[in-house]
Amino acid sequence: GAVVSQHPSRVICKSGTSVKIECRSLDFQATTMFWYRQFPKQSLMLMATSNEGSKATYEQGVEKDKFLINHASLTLSTLTVTSAHPEDSSFYICSAKRDSLTEAFFGQGTRLTVV
Amino acid sequence: KQEVTQIPAALSVPEGENLVLNCSFTDSAIYNLQWFRQDPGKGLTSLLLIQSSQREQTSGRLNASLDKSSGRSTLYIAASQPGDSATYLCAGSSGDKLTFGTGTRLAVRP
Repeated sequence: GAVVSQHPSRVICKSGTSVKIECRSLDFQATTMFWYRQFPKQSLMLMATSNEGSKATYEQGVEKDKFLINHASLTLSTLTVTSAHPEDSSFYICSAKRDSLTEAFFGQGTRLTVV
Repeated sequence: KQEVTQIPAALSVPEGENLVLNCSFTDSAIYNLQWFRQDPGKGLTSLLLIQSSQREQTSGRLNASLDKSSGRSTLYIAASQPGDSATYLCAGSSGDKLTFGTGTRLAVRP
């Protein structure tokens, strides 16, 4: 299957700082990338859908000014958690698809801890 | 709005058993259904993708079926091994978006 690389895998930051997470599709061009959040022992919650060259579409209840998403190219999307707070601590996972009908491939996830 | 449910939530079986994981969805207008595996603290590994026009897909010891009319998919694991222990997630695709089920935590005892 295709490879999606997410970096970093773990990050610890202080309250009030910002953290950037990168998601790259290594061997295919992803028209759409997705960002999810996962709480312990729960399923994935879609945060936003990111299309290359356009603004991300956020799910209801997700603050777009807090979770900044940039999809600068067909192989890279970034999620920036701004002014992080302890309640933002979570597991964030990205995924990428070539198009609507194909498989979604996921990154390894990023464990964010805000202290 | 699509809702996806997985039963059972947790399953513990002895090594060698064949087992079935169930996934049900409310909106039959899905483009495809995908099964994933997630190990603790890790991302998702895609196992099988079934397009809406297909009935089943097979990969090694895994077989997934899809019945759109009843809103159900099953993942069959043959001759389970301890290395199969993980959380299994199904997800229905409506357009670009995936809607995930609640997952089944599988433990295969040696």
